[in-house]
Amino acid sequence: AQSVTQLGSHVSVSEGALVLLRCNYSSSVPPYLFWYVQYPNQGLQLLLKYTTGATLVKGINGFEAEFKKSETSFHLTKPSAHMSDAAEYFCAVSDPPTGNKLTFGGGTRVLVKP
Amino acid sequence: GAGVSQSPSNKVTEKGKDVELRCDPISGHTALYWYRQSLGQGLEFLIYFQGNSAPDKSGLPSDRFSAERTGGSVSTLTIQRTQQEDSAVYLCASSQGWVTDTQYFGPGTRLTVL
Repeated sequence: AQSVTQLGSHVSVSEGALVLLRCNYSSSVPPYLFWYVQYPNQGLQLLLKYTTGATLVKGINGFEAEFKKSETSFHLTKPSAHMSDAAEYFCAVSDPPTGNKLTFGGGTRVLVKP
Repeated sequence: GAGVSQSPSNKVTEKGKDVELRCDPISGHTALYWYRQSLGQGLEFLIYFQGNSAPDKSGLPSDRFSAERTGGSVSTLTIQRTQQEDSAVYLCASSQGWVTDTQYFGPGTRLTVL
């Protein structure tokens, strides 16, 4: 079965500093990879996804992630944090070619300090 | 266009009662998913519909849980004889049906079992 590990359940960054959220997965074949963001009392919103092709993926709000097969990782970064980035972030995977369901990591809550 | 909607937004019930949670997917989306978000278990997949059929119901935690989808649109998740451990936020998502398609999430139904 797939599993997803997000290092750090809480991350605190200063406004303007780099945001780095780590995600590692376990799979015998490269899965499809997703990052979602959840603001308080809201559903999940897709930030970006990797399915095939270029391994560096750019998403909304200035976020990007790089798929590294050799490291089974899909870390999320943003060069400069903004106060509005305070939220919970979830990494998720699905198994091609038949797997539609998402398996989520435990989530990382980001706090942005002024 | 309209996103995924769920009702009710909040539901408080007594242990042993049955509850029904409703999901209205984005118009035209053939795939529909139910997930559960709880403090102890994180985000878990429950069931996946393609049209009106459910090819994957592997995440339903017990036979007290059931779901149906009618007309390829609205879905209802039913929990019978609710228990306190059923307390969670139940999230619905829909997509156009391909494995690489983005799943769009609703705001969730917060279920509290007293």
